[in-house]
Amino acid sequence: GEDVEQSLFLSVREGDSSVINCTYTDSSSTYLYWYKQEPGAGLQLLTYIFSNMDMKQDQRLTVLLNKKDKHLSLRIADTQTGDSAIYFCAESMASNSGYALNFGKGTSLLVTP
Amino acid sequence: DTEVTQTPKHLVMGMTNKKSLKCEQHMGHRAMYWYKQKAKKPPELMFVYSYEKLSINESVPSRFSPECPNSSLLNLHLHALQPEDSALYLCASSQVRDSAYEQYFGPGTRLTVT
Repeated sequence: GEDVEQSLFLSVREGDSSVINCTYTDSSSTYLYWYKQEPGAGLQLLTYIFSNMDMKQDQRLTVLLNKKDKHLSLRIADTQTGDSAIYFCAESMASNSGYALNFGKGTSLLVTP
Repeated sequence: DTEVTQTPKHLVMGMTNKKSLKCEQHMGHRAMYWYKQKAKKPPELMFVYSYEKLSINESVPSRFSPECPNSSLLNLHLHALQPEDSALYLCASSQVRDSAYEQYFGPGTRLTVT
């Protein structure tokens, strides 16, 4: 599929907020997802947002969706060293063969003490 | 319980070997997926099974052969692989194959082809 764009790297200090941005491609995507991947591990679903929502909050995580600009962001409040990982945004895409996830290239978040 | 398990965790195989990767979930999900992930890249979809039937094969070489023996199990049979097939192989499942249902991933099998 077409590229879902993410910035490749973000460094923040412990206790600060982190904001990871994503631009997706398919305006008809009904769900948008954020996954976290720690080194050597699989993907952990963090949160998702339905396309008719502007915002979703889940504890330290806030997802903002600007459907007009096809822009998605993930804000992590009070970032901890354990939040260091790669974060992938993904859109659900309809194709000739049905529904599939289209992932961004991932943002590597480094949290320093 | 949102657990997808995969075995083995690590696998080293020669180019003439035959091996299998296994994936299991007990969440009652009826869609299961195989992804391939190279280092510092996003996962790439390989196969999708829906109700134990193969519904998507993303032009994967025939040296990869998937199998879904029942609704809880998904295998990936490997034969005559190439060194460039070395990657993390991820299994995922979702309630059904629909965008409304999130996919849960296993921890992956780290495959090295020598």
